[in-house]
Amino acid sequence: DVKVTQSSRYLVKRTGEKVFLECVQDMDHENMFWYRQDPGLGLRLIYFSYDVKMKEKGDIPEGYSVSREKKERFSLILESASTNQTSMYLCASSPDRGPSSGNTIYFGEGSWLTVV
Amino acid sequence: GENVGLHLPTLSVQEGDNSIINCAYSNSASDYFIWYKQESGKGPQFIIDIRSNMDKRQGQRVTVLLNKTVKHLSLQIAATQPGDSAVYFCAETPEPALIFGKGTTLSVSS
Repeated sequence: DVKVTQSSRYLVKRTGEKVFLECVQDMDHENMFWYRQDPGLGLRLIYFSYDVKMKEKGDIPEGYSVSREKKERFSLILESASTNQTSMYLCASSPDRGPSSGNTIYFGEGSWLTVV
Repeated sequence: GENVGLHLPTLSVQEGDNSIINCAYSNSASDYFIWYKQESGKGPQFIIDIRSNMDKRQGQRVTVLLNKTVKHLSLQIAATQPGDSAVYFCAETPEPALIFGKGTTLSVSS
């Protein structure tokens, strides 16, 4: 089975702190994604990566950056956390050639971040 | 980006009933659609998918219908069980990421 692991399930950080959310997948997938999920807004794409050291902005990249130094690991970085970044963050991965080729996206269990 | 929306934010059914969850999409270029189920405190899990060259696909107790004319997608769950209680999202591609709707919360009462 595909496993996408988000190392931190629950975090509480202070405004202005630098926050790292880590995600690791064990299926040698090319594509990795970071979404945030908020009540009433569904899942919104922050950033994605289709290869090591490659990244693309999603719909809401402001206030975030990402790092993909190794194929299996995709990190989401909040350079200076703010209260409006309190949310659940979901990491996902998929094989090359993307969803429409029959390769669906697999999600981790989520990281709940509270910024106070 | 394009919005993929669900018609109802909540749906309540009795155990044993059939459930129908609807979704409207707006991107005519989308050629692949997926339904996800998300239980409380967990990440979304794949349920069933359908390509744009199909109008119906069946799984175990679930059926997805696609109407490209009106850009409508639906998920039918037969004989709904309490374990089906969750939030259901439809999603569409443009490659390589998915765009998700806002979700429908399905509540099943015994």
